[in-house]
Amino acid sequence: DVKVTQSSRYLVKRTGEKVFLECVQDMDHENMFWYRQDPGLGLRLIYFSYDVKMKEKGDIPEGYSVSREKKERFSLILESASTNQTSMYLCASSSSPGRPGLAGGLWEQFFGPGTRLTVL
Amino acid sequence: GQQVMQIPQYQHVQEGEDFTTYCNSSTTLSNIQWYKQRPGGHPVFLIQLVKSGEVKKQKRLTFQFGEAKKNSSLHITATQTTDVGTYFCAGLGSSNTGKLIFGQGTTLQVKP
Repeated sequence: DVKVTQSSRYLVKRTGEKVFLECVQDMDHENMFWYRQDPGLGLRLIYFSYDVKMKEKGDIPEGYSVSREKKERFSLILESASTNQTSMYLCASSSSPGRPGLAGGLWEQFFGPGTRLTVL
Repeated sequence: GQQVMQIPQYQHVQEGEDFTTYCNSSTTLSNIQWYKQRPGGHPVFLIQLVKSGEVKKQKRLTFQFGEAKKNSSLHITATQTTDVGTYFCAGLGSSNTGKLIFGQGTTLQVKP
C-alpha cells in the first residue's frame, strides 16, 4: 500500500512565523504535489515536483516555496505566514511512466491525510 | 488559464435516488480522473478515463468522457449512505506539464 504521510494533522501558527510542512511518500514516486483545499474552491495546486531538486509553480505559488532534496520528501514552506494562508494543505504523489504529460500512463495521485493549518 | 468547472456544488438526495455530477473543461483534456473524499478524509482515486467517448462502470457508478474530451460525468445509481462525500474530477491537460486541474467538487449528502 502506498503511504503518503504529512508531519502534522493540525498546526496553529502566528502571523509572520516561518512554517514548514513536510510530506513523505514510501513508494519511490517521481512526482509530488502540494495543494490547498478551501470550501467551494476545490483543490488548488501550489507547487509540484517531478524529480529531486526540480520544482514547478502551480496555480497559487505566491507566499510559498518548496524543497525537494530527496526523492521521498517534499516540503512546503510558508516564509511569513499570513491569516489568508489558513487552510487545509494536502500533499500527493504519483508515479510516472516517463516524462510528465504522457497521457497513456496512469496518473493516479495518492494523497496524504492533510494538515489543517490555522494562522492567528 | 486552464479551468475545470464542476456542477452542482452540493446535492442532497434521498437514499435510493440517482445522482449525477458534471465537469466541463475550457480546453481539451488528455485524460480525466475522478476522486472521492469522505468527510474528514483525503481524496482517493476512483478511475481514469482516456479515450474520447469512453464509458466505465464500477458497480453503481458510471463514468463518461465526452467525445470532444472536454467534459465528463459521474452518475451514481440508487445512492446509499456510503456514497456520502465530495466527488472531484481532475483533468490532465495537453500542455505536457503533468499537472492535474481539479474541479471544485460536488458534495453529496444522502438522507436515509
